[in-house]
Amino acid sequence: AQKITQTQPGMFVQEKEAVTLDCTYDTSDPSYGLFWYKQPSSGEMIFLIYQGSYDQQNATEGRYSLNFQKARKSANLVISASQLGDSAMYFCAMREEFGNEKLTFGTGTRLTIIP
Amino acid sequence: GAVVSQHPSRVICKSGTSVKIECRSLDFQATTMFWYRQFPKQSLMLMATSNEGSKATYEQGVEKDKFLINHASLTLSTLTVTSAHPEDSSFYICSASLERGRANYGYTFGSGTRLTVV
Repeated sequence: AQKITQTQPGMFVQEKEAVTLDCTYDTSDPSYGLFWYKQPSSGEMIFLIYQGSYDQQNATEGRYSLNFQKARKSANLVISASQLGDSAMYFCAMREEFGNEKLTFGTGTRLTIIP
Repeated sequence: GAVVSQHPSRVICKSGTSVKIECRSLDFQATTMFWYRQFPKQSLMLMATSNEGSKATYEQGVEKDKFLINHASLTLSTLTVTSAHPEDSSFYICSASLERGRANYGYTFGSGTRLTVV
């Protein structure tokens, strides 16, 4: 079974609008961490935001926020006021407490911002 | 801080030759390094986990004799693609595990290597 599911292969959003990228996960570990990364065409992996399974509040980092719904096992990324430079691949990833520190990635969402 | 330098960024090699990719931690000690492979428009797939001074742990389906990983020091991990074939053409990226109190909640990535086998 997929541990990380990203159901949106591609999204097109008008500049300055907000966008939500979906991510659901599956784990039986009580302790885990959820990550979002941005990968531009250059290939580098840019860390965006992190949410721990025991964190009471949703994580926020500038224009990025994470809509964490633990009961639904979802960790959607919200980008506010999108910019042209936000066009990239976005990956959701999970680290499980008993997973030897390795990250499991979703299939990614290609976000394109339209001027 | 917590930078991993990955080289080369791009390499083209002939079929049957070997290629070495290096990942160096510049300002910290990388006890654990993860090696990923990414085909175009696909996700990162973990190939192996290497710990300094010990043999790498390979994921199921990854040929350990083809993808040789060496982690001989706390600042250097290498991936050697032996007897490369066109199907090995891919984007390879390393990631070092950090103390969780450091940058990015525990991981820093190299910039990746685009391998093309002709």
